[in-house]
Amino acid sequence: SYELTQPPSVSVSPGQTASITCSGDKLGHKYAYWYQQKPGQSPVLVIHRDSRRPSGIPERFSGSNSGNTATLTISGTQALDEADYYCQAWDSNIVVFGGGTKLTVL
Amino acid sequence: EVQLLESGGGFVQPGGSLRLSCAASGFIFSNYAMTWVRQAPEKGLEWVSFISDNGAGTYYADSVKGRFTISRDNLKNTLYLQMNSLGAGDTAVYYCAKTSSGSGSDTWFDSWGQGTLVTVSS
Repeated sequence: SYELTQPPSVSVSPGQTASITCSGDKLGHKYAYWYQQKPGQSPVLVIHRDSRRPSGIPERFSGSNSGNTATLTISGTQALDEADYYCQAWDSNIVVFGGGTKLTVL
Repeated sequence: EVQLLESGGGFVQPGGSLRLSCAASGFIFSNYAMTWVRQAPEKGLEWVSFISDNGAGTYYADSVKGRFTISRDNLKNTLYLQMNSLGAGDTAVYYCAKTSSGSGSDTWFDSWGQGTLVTVSS
C-alpha cells in the first residue's frame, strides 16, 4: 500500500521560514494536498493540487511537489501557525494521509 | 456558508454497530462527493471512505472494507456511515468532509465537520 512519510516535528522561530516535507514513491506524479489542524479543531485545507491556496489562506503558505517529495513552506511563520500539518494524496482510488508533523513556533 | 454536522457517535461494545450521519447545508449537496475521515485519540488522520455525488462510486480503506458502508440521501442532504463489527481500533473522532468535485480521485477536502466521537469499549 502507498505510504506518505512526514517528520514528526519541525521547529521554527517566529518570522522565519518553516518547511515541512512529505515523501512518497513518485509523489511528484500525483497531486499533494496539505491540511492544518490546531488542537481541538477540525482540519483545514491550506494547499491543494501541490501549490494552490484556497481562498482565505494567507499568502505565506506555499507548496511544491517534485520527484518523491512534496513540501509545505510557511514564510514569515507566526505563532498562530503552530499546529499539526498533514499531507494527503490519492493512490488508485484510495486516499492516503501522511502521519502528520507538529509545527512548533518558538 | 458550508455547514457539516455529524451525529450518531457514542459508546458501543466490541462487535456492535453504529450509524453516523452528517447533515449538510450551504451548498448543493448532490453536486459533490463526500468522505469520512477518522482520528484516533492523539493520533493522525486516517481516511475511511468516499462516495461520489450520485452514490454510484464508493471507496473504502482496507481497515474498514467489508465492515463499514457509506451512503447518502441527496433528498435529505445527508451522508451516512454504517459501521458494523466494531473493535477497539475503531475508536476515534469521525469527521465528514465535502470534496471539491462530484467524483473521481484527485479531489480535495475543502470543508470539514466538527466530528463525532465513537468509543468502542466493553
